[in-house]
Amino acid sequence: QKEVEQNSGPLSVPEGAIASLNCTYSDRGSQSFFWYRQYSGKSPELIMFIYSNGDKEDGRFTAQLNKASQYVSLLIRDSQPSDSATYLCAVTVGGFGGYQKVTFGIGTKLQVIP
Amino acid sequence: GAVVSQHPSWVICKSGTSVKIECRSLDFQATTMFWYRQFPKQSLMLMATSNEGSKATYEQGVEKDKFLINHASLTLSTLTVTSAHPEDSSFYICSAPQGSGNTIYFGEGSWLTVV
Repeated sequence: QKEVEQNSGPLSVPEGAIASLNCTYSDRGSQSFFWYRQYSGKSPELIMFIYSNGDKEDGRFTAQLNKASQYVSLLIRDSQPSDSATYLCAVTVGGFGGYQKVTFGIGTKLQVIP
Repeated sequence: GAVVSQHPSWVICKSGTSVKIECRSLDFQATTMFWYRQFPKQSLMLMATSNEGSKATYEQGVEKDKFLINHASLTLSTLTVTSAHPEDSSFYICSAPQGSGNTIYFGEGSWLTVV
C-alpha cells in the first residue's frame, strides 16, 4: 500500500463547477497535510495546508481533513480553465518541529473544460 | 511567504561533464533541504535529503557518488550531477521546510539537458 494515494486522473470538470480532489494516507501518525498545484514544466506551488480535522477555506479552495478516515480532500469552487494542473497531496509524519518525513502522492491531473 | 530559489533554471551540458545546481532559502534558514527529480509526465521522486553540516541521506536506488549533495550553510544546498549522461536529463527541484508546521516550499526547479 502506498503511503499517500491519489487518483492520477485526469479529472475533467466543466468551467464553473466544483472540482473535488481526494487523497488517502496510511500513517495514522501523520500530522500535517498539504495541497500543491503543479503546472506542466513548473515547480509545485503551495495552495493550502491543514492540520486539524474539519474544513479550511481560502478563497475558492477548501481543504477537508478527516483523520479517523485518513482522508484529505481539496475542493475548488467555480473552477476555471487556469486551474487545470496536477494537484499534489503531501503528508508529513511526526510531530511539529525538527525533521519530518514528507511523502507526496502521485498527483491528480485536473482538466477544467471551458 | 517563504522563498526557495534555484539556479540555474535551465542548463545544457555535454555527456561526461558535471553540472551544479544551487538551492537557496532566501528569507529563512533551512537545516534540511530536499532534492527531487521529475521526468516528463511522472511524479516527483525524492532523491535525497540534504542536512546542513552532515552527510546527505539518499533514497534507495540513488547513486550518492553520482549525485553529490553539499549543504554547507543554513541557506544553501547544492546538487552536483557528475559525469552526466543523457538519461540524467530531467527536471530537478529542491525544497525546504519552514515554520513550526514545517511547510514545504519548492524552488523554481532546474531543467537539465545532457547532450
